[in-house]
Amino acid sequence: DTAVSQTPKYLVTQMGNDKSIKCEQNLGHDTMYWYKQDSKKFLKIMFSYNNKELIINETVPNRFSPKSPDKAHLNLHINSLELGDSAVYFCASSHTNYGELFFGEGSRLTVL
Amino acid sequence: GENVEQHPSTLSVQEGDSAVIKCTYSDSASNYFPWYKQELGKGPQLIIDIRSNVGEKKDQRIAVTLNKTAKHFSLHITETQPEDSAVYFCAASTGAGGTSYGKLTFGQGTILTVHP
Repeated sequence: DTAVSQTPKYLVTQMGNDKSIKCEQNLGHDTMYWYKQDSKKFLKIMFSYNNKELIINETVPNRFSPKSPDKAHLNLHINSLELGDSAVYFCASSHTNYGELFFGEGSRLTVL
Repeated sequence: GENVEQHPSTLSVQEGDSAVIKCTYSDSASNYFPWYKQELGKGPQLIIDIRSNVGEKKDQRIAVTLNKTAKHFSLHITETQPEDSAVYFCAASTGAGGTSYGKLTFGQGTILTVHP
């Protein structure tokens, strides 16, 4: 069983479109995250939810809107996609009081 | 905010040699320092971590050292094997329990290649 699963794995779309990436974890963790990895492999946190509440919101354009329907799911919706949004987006989860993040396999977004 | 610098950006070694990757951080409040390994097409995976009340930690062929005064920490891999080839990331956070653990600031990554 995959611990943190993301869908889709690949996403190719046109500028201006709206798209969503879904994430689910079956580890029983209470904190979930979205990280962005750019073409130079640089990893940067975007959002974090703890028990469905937003706790970290880095300086991310408001075109990006995370949604956590329950502790096991954290989705990312992106409006009006731009070329610079092309990246690999990683979902991760952790137990609140322990350090280890468990990452999904990533969703590669390409905006044409 | 925290800034983490990682060197070298690429590292090539022969199988059996040791590999060392170094990181420096800027925020003296940081107290949690994990290392992640990312294989091609996969998400990063924790390989070892260290908290600021410890100077060194070892797990089989992998060790991490921390110098709080100088604000730097290093990853040491001994007896490298081809399957150690991957991108390695250091990270830092001020997590000490609570929700700050996951707000990791990552280094730029080191591409390690182990030649058979």
